[in-house]
Amino acid sequence: EAGVAQSPRYKIIEKRQSVAFWCNPISGHATLYWYQQILGQGPKLLIQFQNNGVVDDSQLPKDRFSAERLKGVDSTLKIQPAKLEDSAVYLCASSAKGRSGANVLTFGAGSRLTVL
Amino acid sequence: GENVEQHPSTLSVQEGDSAVIKCTYSDSASNYFPWYKQELGKGPQLIIDIRSNVGEKKDQRIAVTLNKTAKHFSLHITETQPEDSAVYFCSPGNSGGSNYKLTFGKGTLLTVNP
Repeated sequence: EAGVAQSPRYKIIEKRQSVAFWCNPISGHATLYWYQQILGQGPKLLIQFQNNGVVDDSQLPKDRFSAERLKGVDSTLKIQPAKLEDSAVYLCASSAKGRSGANVLTFGAGSRLTVL
Repeated sequence: GENVEQHPSTLSVQEGDSAVIKCTYSDSASNYFPWYKQELGKGPQLIIDIRSNVGEKKDQRIAVTLNKTAKHFSLHITETQPEDSAVYFCSPGNSGGSNYKLTFGKGTLLTVNP
């Protein structure tokens, strides 16, 4: 089965510019997550979708970050305007029931953002 | 919300030795306890998980043990190999419902020296 696809892999922008990341989850996975991983830290959940509806966006900085999942498949995460502290890897994940019966997350390789 | 701590933050072992990483959590409602491995330039990958109704689970050289009373679970890697070098994250959560999410620890950098 194909994994979670993300693009671009790398992006360098100047502060106050905008950027968008794209994610294509594993086929059939209804739940999609965007995580932010700052260097040296664990991933932090930004937003969680169930199909095309938002389940949790409590940690999304809504003044500059936005995300959508039209048609319940692909998703885009946008940052506008970017700040220096947004430099991080943005990980997309999707989930399905695993052998243990719990929802197992499969992550993409991530999009590394550098804000100068 | 869930408060997750991992220890140690870095661990260096010789090839063939064992490695143990401990994770403590705060939410007594957590019922799912996975460990993820993240190699450089890649996303985290699930390597082993355990549900709260099980105390221990083993898969070849890796095992996870759970102490729900004390709210901690540990990752055990035996006969370590250089390819085990990576960052390991614990991520306890309350699984099963639609509003399911994981809270990740800060990670443990494991280095296996040949």
